[in-house]
Amino acid sequence: DVKVTQSSRYLVKRTGEKVFLECVQDMDHENMFWYRQDPGLGLRLIYFSYDVKMKEKGDIPEGYSVSREKKERFSLILESASTNQTSMYLCASGTALTYEQYFGPGTRLTVT
Amino acid sequence: KQEVTQIPAALSVPEGENLVLNCSFTDSAIYNLQWFRQDPGKGLTSLLLIQSSQREQTSGRLNASLDKSSGRSTLYIAASQPGDSATYLCAAGGAAGNKLTFGGGTRVLVKP
Repeated sequence: DVKVTQSSRYLVKRTGEKVFLECVQDMDHENMFWYRQDPGLGLRLIYFSYDVKMKEKGDIPEGYSVSREKKERFSLILESASTNQTSMYLCASGTALTYEQYFGPGTRLTVT
Repeated sequence: KQEVTQIPAALSVPEGENLVLNCSFTDSAIYNLQWFRQDPGKGLTSLLLIQSSQREQTSGRLNASLDKSSGRSTLYIAASQPGDSATYLCAAGGAAGNKLTFGGGTRVLVKP
């Protein structure tokens, strides 16, 4: 079974803090993704990576950056957290063959 | 820009009834169509993936069809059970395969 793990299920941070969300997959997938999910807005793609050290902006990259130094690990970075970044963050990985995506359990981030 | 719509946003059925969930998309140039299940506060579980060259996929009580020309996909769940209660999301994969555009989801309640 594909396993995608995220570093925290719940996280509370203060405005202005630097926040790291980590995602690890164990299936040697080429592609990894970060989404956020908000009521009424659905799932929106923040960034994705199709190879180590490669990244592409999704639909809402502002205020975020990413890092992929190893194939199995994809990090989302909030340089200076703001209250409007309070959300559920979901990581996914996928094969470049079928492009099926597999999701982690999510991190609920609250910025106060 | 791809837009994905799921109507209705919620439905309630008695146990044993067949479920029919609809998904429509505006751009027929999709790579694939993926159906997910999401339980409250959890990540997404992949249910079925239909490649653009396929018409349907089946897994157990689940069957998903794809009609690219009309921009529609339908998920059928036979003989629903209370354990099927969840939110079901469809997502259309872009022509390059990597990027998914999600619908808003249909929240399903199966009453015993």
